[in-house]
Amino acid sequence: SQQGEEDPQALSIQEGENATMNCSYKTSINNLQWYRQNSGRGLVHLILIRSNEREKHSGRLRVTLDTSKKSSSLLITASRAADTASYFCATGATDSWGKLQFGAGTQVVVTP
Amino acid sequence: SAVISQKPSRDICQRGTSLTIQCQVDSQVTMMFWYRQQPGQSLTLIATANQGSEATYESGFVIDKFPISRPNLTFSTLTVSNMSPEDSSIYLCSVAYQETQYFGPGTRLLVL
Repeated sequence: SQQGEEDPQALSIQEGENATMNCSYKTSINNLQWYRQNSGRGLVHLILIRSNEREKHSGRLRVTLDTSKKSSSLLITASRAADTASYFCATGATDSWGKLQFGAGTQVVVTP
Repeated sequence: SAVISQKPSRDICQRGTSLTIQCQVDSQVTMMFWYRQQPGQSLTLIATANQGSEATYESGFVIDKFPISRPNLTFSTLTVSNMSPEDSSIYLCSVAYQETQYFGPGTRLLVL
């Protein structure tokens, strides 16, 4: 079964706007990773946040992690049409190193 | 980072036949993983493949249906046996490398 849930399931925004998506999970984790997938292709790793971190930045991406609420958020600032993709969170549990549990994903469409 | 390639990138197969998917990594890694992504869905872990030992399968996946080989530290194969239309999915291999998990480009399989 899927570890986490993501919301929203779909997000439609215009270029230049920010996109925020959330991920919730159920078990204790070592880390949480965010991925992007374009049109059913392979997954591109975006960012990893460890369980003892609260916030991380990478370029236009900002990820937060709240382990007390078992939730994470991904913010994409100043979105571009090229950001159109599906975004997945994936958690690595403390008792199963290397195995990832994926959220359902958020489909983001950025219109010019 | 780890660079992963998969062959074939896509295939169309007849029901009852089998397909073997190859995964090659540019670095030596202990653990490799195989995931399935059914149409419009998120990713589900099929099995973990360690070099020198039998693969470990997740609930709902069995060796007879998805035999896996792991002959060395840079290569693995996944066979989808006795295929049915329900096996139509994207199959992805991944590796855990320095805490981050990287994915191959995927093999898109359509079973008629």
